[in-house]
Amino acid sequence: AQSVTQLDSQVPVFEEAPVELRCNYSSSVSVYLFWYVQYPNQGLQLLLKYLSGSTLVKGINGFEAEFNKSQTSFHLRKPSVHISDTAEYFCAVSANDYKLSFGAGTTVTVRA
Amino acid sequence: DTAVSQTPKYLVTQMGNDKSIKCEQNLGHDTMYWYKQDSKKFLKIMFSYNNKELIINETVPNRFSPKSPDKAHLNLHINSLELGDSAVYFCASSPRSGSPGGETQYFGPGTRLLVL
Repeated sequence: AQSVTQLDSQVPVFEEAPVELRCNYSSSVSVYLFWYVQYPNQGLQLLLKYLSGSTLVKGINGFEAEFNKSQTSFHLRKPSVHISDTAEYFCAVSANDYKLSFGAGTTVTVRA
Repeated sequence: DTAVSQTPKYLVTQMGNDKSIKCEQNLGHDTMYWYKQDSKKFLKIMFSYNNKELIINETVPNRFSPKSPDKAHLNLHINSLELGDSAVYFCASSPRSGSPGGETQYFGPGTRLLVL
């Protein structure tokens, strides 16, 4: 079975500052990795995903993540955040099935 | 054009009642899912159907029964509602791909269930 640990439950950040959200995973098989974002009172939408190939993955809204197999990590970064990036961010993992396992989420609050 | 829609958006009901939540997707996807998000925002898969066939059935009380009349619809029926069933329930769908597990899941807006 796969599992995900998001190391930060809350991340306050000032507008235009960089942000990094940390995610570690555990699995005995090869996995696919995802970051989803949930804006207040909405469903989740995909920011980016790693399937294979280049370990640096670029997503929507200026986000990127780096897959590090030796450290079993998939940290999410954005060089300059906006107020509109205030949301809940979920790291998720799946193997060769349809089952997506989510981390506990990281609340990002962007302040002016 | 809503891709994944759920009805109702809010559901307030008494303990012991039976209720249903409906989900429809117009994306032409083969696979649909139900997730439960608790008050701490933790998301857990409950069920998944692929072309009307149940493929994921997590450890969920028998009071929860999914039904997929066709591949565009996946409904969730809950019998004898309990206080602990209060949560946000999300429906999602994903397309068929050559390597299961790597598909993007598209989520509905959620149904907020409150059991009193």
